[in-house]
Amino acid sequence: DTGVSQDPRHKITKRGQNVTFRCDPISEHNRLYWYRQTLGQGPEFLTYFQNEAQLEKSRLLSDRFSAERPKGSFSTLEIQRTEQGDSAMYLCASSLVTGARGETQYFGPGTRLLVL
Amino acid sequence: AQSVAQPEDQVNVAEGNPLTVKCTYSVSGNPYLFWYVQYPNRGLQFLLKYITGDNLVKGSYGFEAEFNKSQTSFHLKKPSALVSDSALYFCAVRVLNTGGFKTIFGAGTRLFVKA
Repeated sequence: DTGVSQDPRHKITKRGQNVTFRCDPISEHNRLYWYRQTLGQGPEFLTYFQNEAQLEKSRLLSDRFSAERPKGSFSTLEIQRTEQGDSAMYLCASSLVTGARGETQYFGPGTRLLVL
Repeated sequence: AQSVAQPEDQVNVAEGNPLTVKCTYSVSGNPYLFWYVQYPNRGLQFLLKYITGDNLVKGSYGFEAEFNKSQTSFHLKKPSALVSDSALYFCAVRVLNTGGFKTIFGAGTRLFVKA
């Protein structure tokens, strides 16, 4: 499968624990996005990378959240000291930016996080 | 504020009938509009997009969408619905903000197609 993959697909953790999610984008894509989706809502932007550079972070991304894309390929999203409000589906998307504004983002299956 | 709205939480349609899922937007400048579909426990799948040109855009699985600038709408349509079209549909708009382009999603519309 050459689409976007995410690992794990599901994560259950206790409040206060740290969790890390991984996203592997489509191989030639240079841009990678993280979104959060809660029940009944559309995805909300968290952050994105152009190659290895993190270009923007949403105000939704508190100090407990950190994302990396060290080699411009896969990315990790870490949540420290998880809270019950962090329970959500975390979606990763990638795109190939060639200068056109209408880039299409391709999404992974998501990681569903439940914080007890 | 730049935004996208999907006024219907749910749309019900009988198989074989035409379907419409509504989307309106509010952006400054030219809009870049997208439709995605989400099946249970799956990520979003791209259906179609409008960037420029013909107002009627054709996409995957027989879906199409009509861009209407005067009504600031981008409704998703299909001439004949299938039961397998039952899913959650998201409209999105790509906007320019201080950090560059950002995609804003609507809250989603759940489509039920009854056999």
